[in-house]
Amino acid sequence: SQQGEEDPQALSIQEGENATMNCSYKTSINNLQWYRQNSGRGLVHLILIRSNEREKHSGRLRVTLDTSKKSSSLLITASRAADTASYFCATDGVAGGTSYGKLTFGQGTILTVHP
Amino acid sequence: KAGVTQTPRYLIKTRGQQVTLSCSPISGHRSVSWYQQTPGQGLQFLFEYFSETQRNKGNFPGRFSGRQFSNSRSEMNVSTLELGDSALYLCASSFVAADTGELFFGEGSRLTVL
Repeated sequence: SQQGEEDPQALSIQEGENATMNCSYKTSINNLQWYRQNSGRGLVHLILIRSNEREKHSGRLRVTLDTSKKSSSLLITASRAADTASYFCATDGVAGGTSYGKLTFGQGTILTVHP
Repeated sequence: KAGVTQTPRYLIKTRGQQVTLSCSPISGHRSVSWYQQTPGQGLQFLFEYFSETQRNKGNFPGRFSGRQFSNSRSEMNVSTLELGDSALYLCASSFVAADTGELFFGEGSRLTVL
């Protein structure tokens, strides 16, 4: 079953605009991660935020985490056409333990950035 | 440093056949996880191996099995293939043993069952 629900399912923007994707999850977590997938390819890790962190930055990416609401957001600033991809949030679904390689993924947001 | 390598990249099978997929993790990574990705169900966890031991298993029937070798390479096998097994099968490796942190994914093996 999918723990993460992502919103919106699809997002279409122009180059230079910011893109915001949201993710909600159901259980307690150790960390939440965001991954990117180009069409039909493997997933690429973008950023990991731990349950005791509220915000994290990496280049043009900004992730927030609200454990009280069980939600996270991914902001991509100054989007480029090369950012066109599907974006997934993933949680380990355990708190204080280990899920031994098991991440629960959301359904993803398809981002299209028009040149 | 070479990434995660999956073979074959594409394959076509017919119902009832069996298939074996291979995954070579990043050098030094001892944890290997497998995921199935379909349009309907999304990404679903199959199983995870560490030091040749299966430590975790997802909710898949017994037709799905796997193993890991002493060099950390892993294989997964699907027997008695069904049409619904058509999917992208992704392998991921990780260095950290005690925490599911960043996973490094291969490009996947796309299986089509006719």
